[in-house]
Amino acid sequence: GENVEQHPSTLSVQEGDSAVIKCTYSDSASNYFPWYKQELGKGPQLIIDIRSNVGEKKDQRIAVTLNKTAKHFSLHITETQPEDSAVYFCAASRVGQGAQKLVFGQGTRLTINP
Amino acid sequence: DVKVTQSSRYLVKRTGEKVFLECVQDMDHENMFWYRQDPGLGLRLIYFSYDVKMKEKGDIPEGYSVSREKKERFSLILESASTNQTSMYLCASISVDQPQHFGDGTRLSIL
Repeated sequence: GENVEQHPSTLSVQEGDSAVIKCTYSDSASNYFPWYKQELGKGPQLIIDIRSNVGEKKDQRIAVTLNKTAKHFSLHITETQPEDSAVYFCAASRVGQGAQKLVFGQGTRLTINP
Repeated sequence: DVKVTQSSRYLVKRTGEKVFLECVQDMDHENMFWYRQDPGLGLRLIYFSYDVKMKEKGDIPEGYSVSREKKERFSLILESASTNQTSMYLCASISVDQPQHFGDGTRLSIL
């Protein structure tokens, strides 16, 4: 089955700097890669996703890149702000083959220092 | 906007009790999921359901069962609660070609 590894487990950056979180996956058939942000006391919320037919996707300060050959994908947050502090999860799944089962990474606790 | 509602935010139960966690979604989604979240382990899939009365085991189903009698409701059942089931439980729902939407979780403590 699919296995997703996420690094680092904790990340601390100065406000205004960039943050990068990396994930690798094992199943070459996975074709959908979402990123979730979880704030304290809340459930995970989707912030960006990418499908395997594109290499990069950007939404304002957030971008995701995908390298299918190497089976890894990354989340990039630029110009970080205090409200970016949260736990971030990557996930992988095969869309289009039955119920969409996501396999999650272990999570990264991001702290933005003012 | 999709809303996934978990009936309890915090729950304290005793070892050996039968525990019910309830989840309701309001968007007529076919697929619903139960995860548990533990520090350093991410979210792990317990069970999922792709239709009423249908269920499939996830990665860690031992000690749990589920019930889906109506499309909008998916219940997680701990048949005989044990201390190692103390965790955060998250419910999610999804429709075809849409991202998963999560509830805010139930923090369950088994004493």
